[in-house]
Amino acid sequence: QVHLVESGGGVVQPGRSARLSCAASGFSFSSYGMFWVRQAPGKGLEWVAVISYDGGKTHYAESVKGRFIISRDDPKNTLYLQMSSLREEDTAVYYCAKVVAPLTGGNSAFVLDHWGEGTQVIVSS
Amino acid sequence: SSELTQDPDVSVALGQTVRITCQGDTLRIYYTSWYQQKPGRAPVLVFYGYNNRPSGIPDRFSGSSSGNTASLTITGAQAEDEAVYYCNSRDASGNPQVFGRGTKVTVL
Repeated sequence: QVHLVESGGGVVQPGRSARLSCAASGFSFSSYGMFWVRQAPGKGLEWVAVISYDGGKTHYAESVKGRFIISRDDPKNTLYLQMSSLREEDTAVYYCAKVVAPLTGGNSAFVLDHWGEGTQVIVSS
Repeated sequence: SSELTQDPDVSVALGQTVRITCQGDTLRIYYTSWYQQKPGRAPVLVFYGYNNRPSGIPDRFSGSSSGNTASLTITGAQAEDEAVYYCNSRDASGNPQVFGRGTKVTVL
């Protein structure tokens, strides 16, 4: 059974950094691309970052490019999101999510079949 | 980046059929996936591609697509189907994906 558990959220001052983790279990973590998706209070879903199954490719939303870094540690079955220069508009629930298809994902590279329950990040002074 | 347009609100009588639509130029090229999100919960994938329903999702959920419009249909809506539904697809402008803004479905 696939299980994704995020951690690392909390209250952070503007301009500071934080690191989110996503512990994965129940599937071959190293075979799947992974996303971070966030949801600001009362708003819709926004993809933040994606990393390929082998860690060789990453892609970021314009809103976080240059400030956030997605990475993975396959032996630990863990996904990370290093967030720096945080802004109030980064306040959101952050979800990690697994791509439905293994390896490159093909035409399903954007389909997310399992999500964690999310971790809340509040950027406030 | 591409945009996906969804109606903000839709209502349906208990046991009736409701169609939720998602429009965008990227849908002429790529297929759609649909997510159900209930208050305070993570999104759940309910349908994707041309005919893929994840295990555990009731068969009253179905999807279709024509031109630049994709649809998620709930046939015989139940009270537990009340939620916000998001579509997403690949972004034709080069980003990995794009989400619609969501449709809140109310079951009367």
